[in-house]
Amino acid sequence: SQQGEEDPQALSIQEGENATMNCSYKTSINNLQWYRQNSGRGLVHLILIRSNEREKHSGRLRVTLDTSKKSSSLLITASRAADTASYFCATDWNNDMRFGAGTRLTVKP
Amino acid sequence: DVKVTQSSRYLVKRTGEKVFLECVQDMDHENMFWYRQDPGLGLRLIYFSYDVKMKEKGDIPEGYSVSREKKERFSLILESASTNQTSMYLCASAEHGSGNTIYFGEGSWLTVV
Repeated sequence: SQQGEEDPQALSIQEGENATMNCSYKTSINNLQWYRQNSGRGLVHLILIRSNEREKHSGRLRVTLDTSKKSSSLLITASRAADTASYFCATDWNNDMRFGAGTRLTVKP
Repeated sequence: DVKVTQSSRYLVKRTGEKVFLECVQDMDHENMFWYRQDPGLGLRLIYFSYDVKMKEKGDIPEGYSVSREKKERFSLILESASTNQTSMYLCASAEHGSGNTIYFGEGSWLTVV
């Protein structure tokens, strides 16, 4: 069954603004990953955060994890039109990876 | 670069046909997966395999079977295609163990008419 649930389902912002997407999950995890999917293509890995980490950065990406609230957020700073895509969180528990339904991000030039 | 290749990008099949979706990875990964993606439902796991000739059911295995005769190849089989199997199918692979990146193919769009 689906594990993560992303919020919001869709997000539309102007270029240069920050985009924040949230993921909530229900059970224990070893780690949580974020993936990006361009329209009609496969998913591409963005960043992984382990259950004992609270925050991680990669370029313009910032991921936080709160295991007490069973939630994670992905922040994209200074967004670009090329960031337009769907973003998925994936929870990993003992090699069992489950994906949410995704957030559709549109960045307007 | 890791490459996961799905043999068919777009397919149109008739109801009742047997359909094969092929997937090959070139990184010697132990784990391979088949997902189905539908609007609003995200990715749902159909089957996965952690070794040659091994398979495990995912969340929605009904109407599907899989074959893994070689480590690099994982096939999804629709024994008798139905219209409710019209969807995008994604193959993926990963090294065994927790915390490893999953590498996806480009997807196969299947339409059953």
